[in-house]
Amino acid sequence: ELKVEQNPLFLSMQEGKNYTIYCNYSTTSDRLYWYRQDPGKSLESLFVLLSNGAVKQEGRLMASLDTKARLSTLHITAAVHDLSATYFCAVDIPGGTSYGKLTFGQGTILTVHP
Amino acid sequence: DTEVTQTPKHLVMGMTNKKSLKCEQHMGHRAMYWYKQKAKKPPELMFVYSYEKLSINESVPSRFSPECPNSSLLNLHLHALQPEDSALYLCASSPRGRGTGELFFGEGSRLTVL
Repeated sequence: ELKVEQNPLFLSMQEGKNYTIYCNYSTTSDRLYWYRQDPGKSLESLFVLLSNGAVKQEGRLMASLDTKARLSTLHITAAVHDLSATYFCAVDIPGGTSYGKLTFGQGTILTVHP
Repeated sequence: DTEVTQTPKHLVMGMTNKKSLKCEQHMGHRAMYWYKQKAKKPPELMFVYSYEKLSINESVPSRFSPECPNSSLLNLHLHALQPEDSALYLCASSPRGRGTGELFFGEGSRLTVL
């Protein structure tokens, strides 16, 4: 059974600081996704990582994938309040014949305060 | 703005009611999904439709009945639900074939069972 673990689960940051969210998964997979969810809202796709060594950046967020270590990171640079949300990583279930059969991590609740 | 539209946004129903959730997308995607998300938890896959055929049922109780009338529409019929079925129900779609596997989520239907 594929397990996806994120840490930390709760992250309180000051504006302007840097931090990293980690996502470990238990079974070989080369497809990893990061989503953002605001309270009471749906999931917004942030990054799609499809190969070992993939790195993608959007604004203050940068995601990377190391398939050998089964690890993805989401790095936050100079945090601002607007980044406050819950962040999920998700992994394709290996051997699946349908895309989208994702296993999600528990989510990291990020709060950025002045 | 999401291109996956879900109705209703909120639904309150009794345990003896029959209701339906609807999902529509016009992105030409040929895979559609229902996910269930309880408060402060990650989404969990319920059903996957691929080319309008049910391809995955994650052992969901029969009181949830999915239907895919055509490639743009996905319904979830609800009957004799339990209070523990109260949750946010998310519809998603993705391209089949040579896609990235990225899911596009709707805003969700928040269901309360009394």
